[in-house]
Amino acid sequence: KAGVTQTPRYLIKTRGQQVTLSCSPISGHRSVSWYQQTPGQGLQFLFEYFSETQRNKGNFPGRFSGRQFSNSRSEMNVSTLELGDSALYLCASSPEAPSSYNEQFFGPGTRLTVL
Amino acid sequence: GESVGLHLPTLSVQEGDNSIINCAYSNSASDYFIWYKQESGKGPQFIIDIRSNMDKRQGQRVTVLLNKTVKHLSLQIAATQPGDSAVYFCAENTGGSYIPTFGRGTSLIVHP
Repeated sequence: KAGVTQTPRYLIKTRGQQVTLSCSPISGHRSVSWYQQTPGQGLQFLFEYFSETQRNKGNFPGRFSGRQFSNSRSEMNVSTLELGDSALYLCASSPEAPSSYNEQFFGPGTRLTVL
Repeated sequence: GESVGLHLPTLSVQEGDNSIINCAYSNSASDYFIWYKQESGKGPQFIIDIRSNMDKRQGQRVTVLLNKTVKHLSLQIAATQPGDSAVYFCAENTGGSYIPTFGRGTSLIVHP
């Protein structure tokens, strides 16, 4: 079974631009979560989607948004990019809504650099 | 590969030694904890988890210990191998709403 895939793997943007990242979960998984990883802040939860609905949201500004499609694929969007948005963005999927009973499987991430 | 974190605590061990990685968590209400391993250029990989009604759980070559009194979690890796070299994170979660909080991570370096 193929793992979680993320595209693109690397991306360079300039301040003020917007970006869309894509995540394809493991086949059959309905929950997709997004995380931001930086050297300074570590790994931080962005949001989680289940059956096309955002169920949980971390403490990030409204410039960060996402959506999930009927096939469970998910995209996240960052508008008006700032230098501090440079990070590794990770997507994780699980069969059902993640909880203490459902393991999450992470993709390799998208490395975003904002110049 | 990519660096997943700068200024991380680092633990250097010799192959065959036992490794102990520590994590202090922040929320006394957290009831579920996970250890992840992240190799360079890859996403985190689940290693082992533990619920707050337990104080020890064992897997293959790994043991997690939970001390709720001092809000401390540890990961013990037996007979450490070069392939164990990676950054290790703990994560805590509270209740049924899955919004995990991750530790900063520890870089484990295993010397052959």
